[in-house]
Amino acid sequence: GQNIDQPTEMTATEGAIVQINCTYQTSGFNGLFWYQQHAGEAPTFLSYNVLDGLEEKGRFSSFLSRSKGYSYLLLKELQMKDSASYLCAVMGGSTLGRLYFGRGTQLTVWP
Amino acid sequence: DTGVSQDPRHKITKRGQNVTFRCDPISEHNRLYWYRQTLGQGPEFLTYFQNEAQLEKSRLLSDRFSAERPKGSFSTLEIQRTEQGDSAMYLCASSYRADNEKLFFGSGTQLSVL
Repeated sequence: GQNIDQPTEMTATEGAIVQINCTYQTSGFNGLFWYQQHAGEAPTFLSYNVLDGLEEKGRFSSFLSRSKGYSYLLLKELQMKDSASYLCAVMGGSTLGRLYFGRGTQLTVWP
Repeated sequence: DTGVSQDPRHKITKRGQNVTFRCDPISEHNRLYWYRQTLGQGPEFLTYFQNEAQLEKSRLLSDRFSAERPKGSFSTLEIQRTEQGDSAMYLCASSYRADNEKLFFGSGTQLSVL
């Protein structure tokens, strides 16, 4: 089976840094994705990791350790608009493009 | 490029009725996916197409559900004899192999079965 685990909720203040962790156990691994989803809207792509290490993209960075089955999403210089659900998803198994999602981490950014 | 579009955005129906949703993927994307999302959960895979061929179906997709992609472009998802448990957001996504199969999602169809 596939298991993707991430915290349910996190809070932080504007301007701060927050790290959202994700652990996974999947049969097969073809990459790990992070998506952002605002309430009532579609998930939007944030990052993709397939090799170990850190990928940086502006205020967002994502890290992957395949041996540990672990990833994190790092958000810097938090803004109010970053309040959203952050979904960790693993492309595993034999079907490229089929994603196994965690339940999402609801991040609330306070002024 | 207008992104992935879904229609309708919202659908309210009575239990036992049939409903059909439409998805138009990004034009150059040959893979199309349907996911379902309930409140507080991540999206769950339902089925996917490569061009017009339906290559995989989840066990979540009961016999009441059918999906088509007749010309390898738009897709429809039909639910027959809807049940209250079918109430969810139905998300369509498309991807392109050369872009690491990164999924682009539509805004979804929110189904409420009364």
